[in-house]
Amino acid sequence: DAGVIQSPRHEVTEMGQEVTLRCKPISGHNSLFWYRQTMMRGLELLIYFNNNVPIDDSGMPEDRFSAKMPNASFSTLKIQPSEPRDSAVYFCASNKIDRNTGELFFGEGSRLTVL
Amino acid sequence: QQQVKQSPQSLIVQKGGISIINCAYENTAFDYFPWYQQFPGKGPALLIAIRPDVSEKKEGRFTISFNKSAKQFSLHIMDSQPGDSATYFCAAKVEGGYQKVTFGTGTKLQVIP
Repeated sequence: DAGVIQSPRHEVTEMGQEVTLRCKPISGHNSLFWYRQTMMRGLELLIYFNNNVPIDDSGMPEDRFSAKMPNASFSTLKIQPSEPRDSAVYFCASNKIDRNTGELFFGEGSRLTVL
Repeated sequence: QQQVKQSPQSLIVQKGGISIINCAYENTAFDYFPWYQQFPGKGPALLIAIRPDVSEKKEGRFTISFNKSAKQFSLHIMDSQPGDSATYFCAAKVEGGYQKVTFGTGTKLQVIP
């Protein structure tokens, strides 16, 4: 089975540019999560979707960040304009909410560097 | 406010030794405690998990010990191997439906030959 697929794996951009990260969840999973990982703050939940609907976006740091899930097989996380402090590894994860364990299946991440 | 505190931040263990990572939580509503393992360049993956109705769970060389009264749990890796070198995250959540998974800050384990 294909796992969670993220693209790009690496992104280097200059401050002020728009960044779009993409995620394809595991087929059949109805929940999707975007996490950000940094050395200082560890794994932070940015936003959670259930059945393509954003349920909890309290972790989105500011208005520069936005996320969409137009269908069950695709989600994007956009940063506009990007800043050096946005440099991090961004992970997408999915699961089936009706499985009580709530095991998260993570992609391999998108490493973002903002110069 | 960090709800799951993890220590140590990094750990070096000799091959064949025991690796121990500790976590403490604050929210007494948590009732599911997973551990995730992350190799460099990869996403975290579920390693082992425990519910508070048991004090210990063992899967191969990996054991979770759970102390509900102290609100603490730990991961023990017996006979540690170089292939166990990774970052380990403890986590906690309220089981069922959507409940936010709260992660610890991670422990970078290095097992040296």
